[in-house]
Amino acid sequence: EPEVTQTPSHQVTQMGQEVILRCVPISNHLYFYWYRQILGQKVEFLVSFYNNEISEKSEIFDDQFSVERPDGSNFTLKIRSTKLEDSAMYFCASSGDRVYGNTIYFGEGSWLTVV
Amino acid sequence: ILNVEQSPQSLHVQEGDSTNFTCSFPSSNFYALHWYRWETAKSPEALFVMTLNGDEKKKGRISATLNTKEGYSYLYIKGSQPEDSATYLCALYNNNDMRFGAGTRLTVKP
Repeated sequence: EPEVTQTPSHQVTQMGQEVILRCVPISNHLYFYWYRQILGQKVEFLVSFYNNEISEKSEIFDDQFSVERPDGSNFTLKIRSTKLEDSAMYFCASSGDRVYGNTIYFGEGSWLTVV
Repeated sequence: ILNVEQSPQSLHVQEGDSTNFTCSFPSSNFYALHWYRWETAKSPEALFVMTLNGDEKKKGRISATLNTKEGYSYLYIKGSQPEDSATYLCALYNNNDMRFGAGTRLTVKP
């Protein structure tokens, strides 16, 4: 069964460093998402991406975050200058159509620890 | 504020027991409700997408109902098995983003 894959599975980084989290969505999907879960808290929406541009973003997704689909297969989340509070599990997801009535498929997550 | 609540927070049942838990959400501006099953160290697995008031969906021993007028959905597991142990997440889609509940952590004891 097709799946969403994410790398790295775990990254430790120093505060202030840039981090890029990579995702390969399911190949015929058109909508891509990033979510995060801070330990002990709810899963939170960050951003959705369609047709090579951001379609929606949450208040969490500020100027230090960016997303890109550089080569037609990868979908990346960049955190420009990491803060301690960015430590979380980051999930990539994709869907064939807008989420409304369609299933979104999640990757296994990238665990980011900022020290 | 789009707040999705799930109860109970955690649940321990014996193998063979049937169980259910609740997802509550604001009934205005409803688009869709998603249920996910999430095992530790794995990706959340989609169970159901529900869009219409009165929807009932079933997948094996797991079923779900939806009441959009009063703002709740129930997830039922019939004859729980140890492999059903997981966190069950519901998420509300309101045409802007998906808001997740905190999940119900189910443990099924053999």
